[in-house]
Amino acid sequence: DGGITQSPKYLFRKEGQNVTLSCEQNLNHDAMYWYRQDPGQGLRLIYYSQIVNDFQKGDIAEGYSVSREKKESFPLTVTSAQKNPTAFYLCASSIMFSGSGSSYQETQYFGPGTRLLVL
Amino acid sequence: AQSVAQPEDQVNVAEGNPLTVKCTYSVSGNPYLFWYVQYPNRGLQFLLKYITGDNLVKGSYGFEAEFNKSQTSFHLKKPSALVSDSALYFCAVRDHSASKIIFGSGTRLSIRP
Repeated sequence: DGGITQSPKYLFRKEGQNVTLSCEQNLNHDAMYWYRQDPGQGLRLIYYSQIVNDFQKGDIAEGYSVSREKKESFPLTVTSAQKNPTAFYLCASSIMFSGSGSSYQETQYFGPGTRLLVL
Repeated sequence: AQSVAQPEDQVNVAEGNPLTVKCTYSVSGNPYLFWYVQYPNRGLQFLLKYITGDNLVKGSYGFEAEFNKSQTSFHLKKPSALVSDSALYFCAVRDHSASKIIFGSGTRLSIRP
């Protein structure tokens, strides 16, 4: 799990409540990512950020929001609009390289995950 | 568009036997390929990657993977399986111009004593 921390380990959400999952990294990585993992399924990308104060939607961004005010932090908010939030949430980070007018990422490293449950 | 497939949901192997977990990919251009392992209720751990060079890549915990360009495959292998290798394994791919990595659906590896 390296230098990426996620908190809390378990989180319970009540109906209509917004909850925020924390992700912090001390690896000096440029890019950070949020994934959702459902039982028996692979990882689906929610949001990603390649630079501070900028982020892009992934494949399943509806019902989620993020911010990237600091390089080391990328919190994810699960809003009340997300009707099926129960899942395992994984944060990752990577170095970004730039060249030939494009930027691309190196290996992603993952945090330990947060399991979100609905009461 | 880039994609990655892991055709087996589960692989069962006896301890001490060789193991193979299959992965095929589709990208434009040269691929960057990765293998990760996930233990229960944990994040993904990086095992190995192929960027360029030797087609046989060696990684953590005695695992290795062979890049086969003609078959667009990147199968994960280990000569002698351990019970502790039992986990969920993910293959991932990125083409050299993409800003995202695409993960396969995962293969559950079960090693019986």
